[in-house]
Amino acid sequence: GESVGLHLPTLSVQEGDNSIINCAYSNSASDYFIWYKQESGKGPQFIIDIRSNMDKRQGQRVTVLLNKTVKHLSLQIAATQPGDSAVYFCAGYTGNQFYFGTGTSLTVIP
Amino acid sequence: GAGVSQSPSNKVTEKGKDVELRCDPISGHTALYWYRQSLGQGLEFLIYFQGNSAPDKSGLPSDRFSAERTGGSVSTLTIQRTQQEDSAVYLCASSFSSVGIDTQYFGPGTRLTVL
Repeated sequence: GESVGLHLPTLSVQEGDNSIINCAYSNSASDYFIWYKQESGKGPQFIIDIRSNMDKRQGQRVTVLLNKTVKHLSLQIAATQPGDSAVYFCAGYTGNQFYFGTGTSLTVIP
Repeated sequence: GAGVSQSPSNKVTEKGKDVELRCDPISGHTALYWYRQSLGQGLEFLIYFQGNSAPDKSGLPSDRFSAERTGGSVSTLTIQRTQQEDSAVYLCASSFSSVGIDTQYFGPGTRLTVL
C-alpha cells in the first residue's frame, strides 16, 4: 500500500534555531503534499502545501522542499519559537486519498 | 468563520456498548472525512463523504463501524459493540470538494476510551 513516513520520531531545537523535519513517500504518483501541525489535544492544522510540479514553496517562516528524485520532502521552520512545539506530519495525496505519516514531535528548548 | 466541530470531545464507554460520534463540517464544504489516530500512530483513513454518499468506505476497520451523513452537512460515526482496540482519537475533516485536491480542515477530535 501507500506510505508516507518520517525519518525521526523526535526533534529538539533551541529557540531561535532553524528546524528541519523530513518525510519520505513511496508512491511516485503522489502529486500533492501537505504539512500539518498538531498540538497536544488539538486536531491537525494545515501549515503549507506543495504540488509535485514544484520543488520549493515558502510561507511565513516555513519552507517546504520537494525532491521527487528521491521521493523526499522536508519542512523547514525558521527561527523556531516555543509555540512551534508540536507534532508535525506530512500527508501525500494519491488518487482520491490522503496518506499520512506518523509524525515528528518537535520540542523547542527556551 | 466557524471551523469543523466535533462532539463529544471525550467519550468513555464500557466494552460492548455502542457509541455515536458527531462531526459538523465547515459550512459549504461538500466533502467530509473521518480518520482515527491511535496512540503513537499516524492518521488512519476511515471513510469519506461527497455530499451524502460515501464513495470510499475502504478504511472502516470492521462491520461494527458505520457512518452516515444527512443533508450534506452533519455526519455521525457509529461504533457498535465497542472493543478496547477502538480506543483512539477520532478526527473529522472537511474540504470544499473531493474533486481534485482540496485542503482538508480538521476538527479537534473525539477521544474515545473503551474500558
